[in-house]
Amino acid sequence: GENVEQHPSTLSVQEGDSAVIKCTYSDSASNYFPWYKQELGKGPQLIIDIRSNVGEKKDQRIAVTLNKTAKHFSLHITETQPEDSAVYFCAASLDSGGYQKVTFGIGTKLQVIP
Amino acid sequence: KAGVTQTPRYLIKTRGQQVTLSCSPISGHRSVSWYQQTPGQGLQFLFEYFSETQRNKGNFPGRFSGRQFSNSRSEMNVSTLELGDSALYLCASSYTGWDEKLFFGSGTQLSVL
Repeated sequence: GENVEQHPSTLSVQEGDSAVIKCTYSDSASNYFPWYKQELGKGPQLIIDIRSNVGEKKDQRIAVTLNKTAKHFSLHITETQPEDSAVYFCAASLDSGGYQKVTFGIGTKLQVIP
Repeated sequence: KAGVTQTPRYLIKTRGQQVTLSCSPISGHRSVSWYQQTPGQGLQFLFEYFSETQRNKGNFPGRFSGRQFSNSRSEMNVSTLELGDSALYLCASSYTGWDEKLFFGSGTQLSVL
């Protein structure tokens, strides 16, 4: 089955700096790569996603890049703010007989220091 | 539109007991997935239901089971609880299950003593 590796597991940055989280996947059939943000006491929330036919996507301060050949994708957060502090999960999804099977990475705890 | 609702929010049980967790998906969503979240293990997939049918199951023992009702609400049950079952159990809904976007509830924090 699909395996998603995510690193680093923890990341501390100064407010205003950039943060990068990287993930690799194993199944070349995966075609959808979402990123979720989980704040304390809440469930994960989708923040950005990218499909396999796109190399890069940006939404304000966050961007995701995908390298299909190398089977890795990354989340970039620029001008970090304290409210960006959370756990971030990458995921890889593939069509499994008519529905999407989603595999998550282990998560990255991001701390933005004011 | 109301989000995904999970009850109860917290639960304390002892080894050997059983527990039932409930999930109400977003109105109109027919697919419900369950995940176990533990520190260091991330989100582990338990099972997914669509129109009252289990379509996919993760690698968990048979003590973990679930069901879905005609109104798309779902329950998961864990029998003969073990200490290692202590975790945050998350439910996620999506419109069809081939709509990749998942909407998560806040979870049920289960502690097994």
